Amino acid sequence: QKEVEQDPGPLSVPEGAIVSLNCTYSNSAFQYFMWYRQYSRKGPELLMYTYSSGNKEDGRFTAQVDKSSKYISLFIRDSQPSDSATYLCAMGSGGGADGLTFGKGTHLIIQP
Amino acid sequence: NAGVTQTPKFRILKIGQSMTLQCTQDMNHNYMYWYRQDPGMGLKLIYYSVGAGITDKGEVPNGYNVSRSTTEDFPLRLELAAPSQTSVYFCASSYRQGSGANEKLFFGSGTQLSVL
Repeated sequence: QKEVEQDPGPLSVPEGAIVSLNCTYSNSAFQYFMWYRQYSRKGPELLMYTYSSGNKEDGRFTAQVDKSSKYISLFIRDSQPSDSATYLCAMGSGGGADGLTFGKGTHLIIQP
Repeated sequence: NAGVTQTPKFRILKIGQSMTLQCTQDMNHNYMYWYRQDPGMGLKLIYYSVGAGITDKGEVPNGYNVSRSTTEDFPLRLELAAPSQTSVYFCASSYRQGSGANEKLFFGSGTQLSVL
């Protein structure tokens, strides 16, 4: 069983729709949860960072963590064509020095 | 403030050739990382460094070497390039203090490498 599972998509939705992106994980040691956005031919950039279960909101973006279910989500409200990108979830335990464990990424397409 | 800078952006190598991918950061981050990203496979950690003079292997280190002589620079060396090393390579950095985690990675724009 892989540590982090993420549906690669593509996920295509019309402009203005609410988008839901999800990841599941198996490692109970993960404490830190992140979402990175990656545009084509660019490096990933940090979008949301959360610690512990609950919700965190930043503008049109909401990150949700459910540690009991080992499930995290990213919601995008009022989606825009500029949101078209690959979204990677990432997780860390905080105890090791070797960085994060990434999902494979979901390719999101917002249709104008 | 340039962030994380990687050179070159593109490179084609012949099998058996060697090359160095350059990475430099100007954020005074202590941690630096090299990842490779293959289509549909996510990011895999090659090597990482927790500070100047200290490096360690990640998940997929075979065929690569690194050095960290300064805080700013973390070059990745490919010896005897093989087609399996065709990938996009990303350098990243972060600042971590003590045992706490602050695993917010800042990535460079990547190097697309083809080995033919």
